[in-house]
Amino acid sequence: DAGVIQSPRHEVTEMGQEVTLRCKPISGHNSLFWYRQTMMRGLELLIYFNNNVPIDDSGMPEDRFSAKMPNASFSTLKIQPSEPRDSAVYFCASGYGGEGNEQFFGPGTRLTVL
Amino acid sequence: AQKVTQAQTEISVVEKEDVTLDCVYETRDTTYYLFWYKQPPSGELVFLIRRNSFDEQNEISGRYSWNFQKSTSSFNFTITASQVVDSAVYFCALSDLLSGGSYIPTFGRGTSLIVHP
Repeated sequence: DAGVIQSPRHEVTEMGQEVTLRCKPISGHNSLFWYRQTMMRGLELLIYFNNNVPIDDSGMPEDRFSAKMPNASFSTLKIQPSEPRDSAVYFCASGYGGEGNEQFFGPGTRLTVL
Repeated sequence: AQKVTQAQTEISVVEKEDVTLDCVYETRDTTYYLFWYKQPPSGELVFLIRRNSFDEQNEISGRYSWNFQKSTSSFNFTITASQVVDSAVYFCALSDLLSGGSYIPTFGRGTSLIVHP
C-alpha cells in the first residue's frame, strides 16, 4: 500500500487566499484525522472522521477552517481566508476506528501564509 | 479530561548510551490505550507501539523496550545502545473514551532525542 497520501507537500500563499489541503487515506481504513503541528502548540487534533462522518471537530480553530470527507478515499481541509498564524505543518492520519487503534500518518503539508 | 506529559523537552546522548524517554498520563477511564510515535527529521510520524490499559506486560522489540506501570501512570520508552538513526522527536499519546464516546488520541509535546556519533 502507498500509505497515506497528502498534497501538496508544500504550499506558500498570501494572506487572504483560500488554501485546500488534500488527503487520501489508506484503503480499508475507516477513520481519518487532521492534525496541525506548530512549535508553540505541538500536535493538535483538528477534526476526526469515522466512516466519512465528522465525529469531533472541536479542535477546528474557527470558522475559517472547514473539512470534508465526501467518500472513503478522499478528504479535504480548507482554510478561507488564510492568515499568517495558520502557518504550520498539517498532517492527515488514517486508521481503523473503534478501539483506539494506532494511526498511520501522511508526510504532511507545510503551509506558509505570508 | 486526559493529559499526557513528556517532561523531557530534549535529550542529548552519545552513541551506544542507553536512554529512557518518560511519559506520564492522566485519565479517569479504566479502559484506555497508550502509544508511542517517532518523528524523524523527514517529518512523518511513525507508529511504534500500542498498549491497552489491561496489559501491563513490558515489551521489548530489538533495542526498544517499553515499561508500562499503571501504579505510577507511566509508559516509559527505553532505547538501548542508541544509534545516530534514533535521533528524532518521540511522542507519547493516550486514547480514552472520556473524549466524548470515541477513542480520540491526545499527544504529548514530544521529546527530541539527539544521538551524537
